[in-house]
Amino acid sequence: DAKTTQPPSMDCAEGRAANLPCNHSTISGNEYVYWYRQIHSQGPQYIIHGLKNNETNEMASLIITEDRKSSTLILPHATLRDTAVYYCIVRVALSNAGNMLTFGGGTRLMVKP
Amino acid sequence: DTGVSQNPRHKITKRGQNVTFRCDPISEHNRLYWYRQTLGQGPEFLTYFQNEAQLEKSRLLSDRFSAERPKGSFSTLEIQRTEQGDSAMYLCASSLAVSSWRDTQYFGPGTRLTVL
Repeated sequence: DAKTTQPPSMDCAEGRAANLPCNHSTISGNEYVYWYRQIHSQGPQYIIHGLKNNETNEMASLIITEDRKSSTLILPHATLRDTAVYYCIVRVALSNAGNMLTFGGGTRLMVKP
Repeated sequence: DTGVSQNPRHKITKRGQNVTFRCDPISEHNRLYWYRQTLGQGPEFLTYFQNEAQLEKSRLLSDRFSAERPKGSFSTLEIQRTEQGDSAMYLCASSLAVSSWRDTQYFGPGTRLTVL
């Protein structure tokens, strides 16, 4: 079962920051939060991940609340190419050392001119 | 550094036929995953390999499905006696598990299967 809750859709104006929220209130102490996005008919693309601290890379920033029950993905200057479904995922450890990504419904972000 | 590749990209088959998909992971990646994605849904985990060993299978992986990774490099996913319900995008992902933090899965473009 998916362990995250996201709004089904959001709009953002081109050039503005896109802030995508995610609730993961049942997250365990050693579980990571991952963000992927999927542009129509393509495979999911890794964006960023975190455990406790805020993280930033060339694509986005990830803000995780102190209690770790929610997070926000920030795309600082959204472009039309950022239109996609964004998935917030809690990575679940498998019994044999691997890790399973459990995707929920995601947020469909529409960036508008 | 080339990404994960999958072949074929599209496959149309008739019900009852067998199909096989191939996944080539990123070079040196020791873990390989298969996921399935139906229309309008997020991907669902099917199975996982560490090197050549298949270590986990989802209950979604019925007896008609079999996956192999014979030399710890590429992997194949075979579906026998296909059914219309098997129509989906089949995604492969790979990772290099050097630590719990650095175990990010990178996905291929997927193989879209249509069963008529």
